Amino acid sequence: DTAVSQTPKYLVTQMGNDKSIKCEQNLGHDTMYWYKQDSKKFLKIMFSYNNKELIINETVPNRFSPKSPDKAHLNLHINSLELGDSAVYFCASSKAGASYEQYFGPGTRLTVT
Amino acid sequence: DQQVKQNSPSLSVQEGRISILNCDYTNSMFDYFLWYKKYPAEGPTFLISISSIKDKNEDGRFTVFLNKSAKHLSLHIVPSQPGDSAVYFCAANNAGNNRKLIWGLGTSLAVNP
Repeated sequence: DTAVSQTPKYLVTQMGNDKSIKCEQNLGHDTMYWYKQDSKKFLKIMFSYNNKELIINETVPNRFSPKSPDKAHLNLHINSLELGDSAVYFCASSKAGASYEQYFGPGTRLTVT
Repeated sequence: DQQVKQNSPSLSVQEGRISILNCDYTNSMFDYFLWYKKYPAEGPTFLISISSIKDKNEDGRFTVFLNKSAKHLSLHIVPSQPGDSAVYFCAANNAGNNRKLIWGLGTSLAVNP
């Protein structure tokens, strides 16, 4: 049984398009995260939700908008995609109060052409 | 400004020998330190952690040492096995900033048979 799943695994799209990445966890965790791993392999947090409430909102362009319909899902919508958005995006989850032990999805490799 | 640094991008060791991966940090607000392991095309998986009030934590072949005065931690793998070949990320939990994890750039470990 997959603990944290992301779809799609690969996403190739053109500049200017709008796309979404979906994330679901079946671990019963209250907290979910989105990370971006850029070409330099730097893993940086973008957003975190706790029980559908936004708790971490790093300095990312407002073209990126997370949406959490329930505590098991955290989707990432990206408007007007740019070349620099090309990266691997990881979703993760953790128990509330144990944010250090995070469980990651397999990643979504986004390529903007 | 990189608060968590892994200065060795890669490390190669022989099977059966000890692997030592190093990590340095700058922020004294970090209260918990973790090591994650990542295989290609997968998300990071939690490996071992240590609280800032301890100086050593052991789990099977993996031991993490923390030297707070030097702001340095290390992961020892003994004995190293080919299946340990992966990228190892050091991360620190920032108690003073929404408890988010700050990540190093990773060290790619190759264990040769």
